Amino acid sequence: GAGVSQSPSNKVTEKGKDVELRCDPISGHTALYWYRQSLGQGLEFLIYFQGNSAPDKSGLPSDRFSAERTGGSVSTLTIQRTQQEDSAVYLCASSFEGYGYTFGSGTRLTVV
Amino acid sequence: ELKVEQNPLFLSMQEGKNYTIYCNYSTTSDRLYWYRQDPGKSLESLFVLLSNGAVKQEGRLMASLDTKARLSTLHITAAVHDLSATYFCAVDIYSGNTPLVFGKGTRLSVIA
Repeated sequence: GAGVSQSPSNKVTEKGKDVELRCDPISGHTALYWYRQSLGQGLEFLIYFQGNSAPDKSGLPSDRFSAERTGGSVSTLTIQRTQQEDSAVYLCASSFEGYGYTFGSGTRLTVV
Repeated sequence: ELKVEQNPLFLSMQEGKNYTIYCNYSTTSDRLYWYRQDPGKSLESLFVLLSNGAVKQEGRLMASLDTKARLSTLHITAAVHDLSATYFCAVDIYSGNTPLVFGKGTRLSVIA
C-alpha cells in the first residue's frame, strides 16, 4: 500500500482481556518496528523485525507483550491480560535500507 | 545505551520570532531524523540528516547536524501558528534499518 496501515485505530478493552493490534507495512519494506507512546511522552521502542532474522524484543516491557510478523509483511502485536498502564498509542513503522522510516497512524488503546 | 535529549521540552513563542530547538545524543551516529507530530496524529517526517555538516531547509524550518558535537538543531524562522506541534528528533546508531531512539519531544506553541 501507499503507507503504513494500522488497525484498529481505537481500542477500548477491559482490564485483564487480551488485545491484538495489526500493522500492515509499506510493500517492500524489510524492517518493521513497534513503538509505544504514552500521553504526552516520547516514543518507547518495543520490538523490531528485520527480514527473516529473529526479532529484537529488547524493548518489550513484560512477557505479556508479544509480536509476530507473518510472511515478512503484516505484523500483530498482542498484549495479554491488559493492565491500565498499557493504555497508550501504539505506533508501527517500516523502513527500507534505513533511508526513511514511515509511521502508521497508530492504535489508541484504552484499558478500563 | 544511547540517550537523546531535546531542549526545550516546551516552547511558547510569538508569531514572527525565531527560535532553535536542540537535540543532543550520547553515542556516535551520522543519521538523525526530525519528525513533527500534531495532536492525535502520527509522526510526519521532516528531515533526514545523513552526514556531518548536513543542512536541510523546508519553508520556515532548517535542520543541521554536527556529528562531532553530537548535536542537531532545528531552527524556526519567523514562526507562524501553523508550526504549532510537537517536534521529535531521533537517532539511528547503526546507520539504517534499526530502531530509532527518540528524544522526549519539544511541544511548540506559536501565539499571536
